[in-house]
Amino acid sequence: NAGVTQTPKFRVLKTGQSMTLLCAQDMNHEYMYWYRQDPGMGLRLIHYSVGEGTTAKGEVPDGYNVSRLKKQNFLLGLESAAPSQTSVYFCASSYQLENGYTFGSGTRLTVV
Amino acid sequence: GNSVTQMEGPVTLSEEAFLTINCTYTATGYPSLFWYVQYPGEGLQLLLKATKADDKGSNKGFEATYRKETTSFHLEKGSVQVSDSAVYFCALSDRGSGGSNYKLTFGKGTLLTVNP
Repeated sequence: NAGVTQTPKFRVLKTGQSMTLLCAQDMNHEYMYWYRQDPGMGLRLIHYSVGEGTTAKGEVPDGYNVSRLKKQNFLLGLESAAPSQTSVYFCASSYQLENGYTFGSGTRLTVV
Repeated sequence: GNSVTQMEGPVTLSEEAFLTINCTYTATGYPSLFWYVQYPGEGLQLLLKATKADDKGSNKGFEATYRKETTSFHLEKGSVQVSDSAVYFCALSDRGSGGSNYKLTFGKGTLLTVNP
């Protein structure tokens, strides 16, 4: 049981490049989330999904897109990376919110 | 709306000291409360939880009691170890009315450093 798996773990992008971060969960969870974590800012929700084929905006969605074509996968896309998107990105999933989230181990992204 | 306020860090303690990290919350419904821990370079892990008033969550020597009257969920440990050095996040999920809340609300995190 792998839980929540994020790929890649590290990435360096040049300004203007695009990339996709993949989150995969094998727990049959309905809810999935993308957060970013910056020093002194805590966790900020980018986008989330309450089920296959659905997505919704979080607190800081600008510059990001997401897709949930399959229940087990939640993709986060950066179409044109900017230095302000340098951060650590965490994916999480949940079956019932009363049980909390399961987090992935994170993707450290640097945009130069 | 929902909110979580936890004490600002950093908190620095000596090994075997007593730990308290304060957490208070505002919620519109009937929240479940959580403490997550993030060790350096890792993702967040669920440390403990409580789903109703007066419940006590406990794990790895940490405890927190859900106090509805004071809207608090303070994290405590009687004797900390160097290996407890991490960032601790308080969080809530609010079932609320209408069942439309689909996410946790997190505090900003408290950095704990334990020195030998």
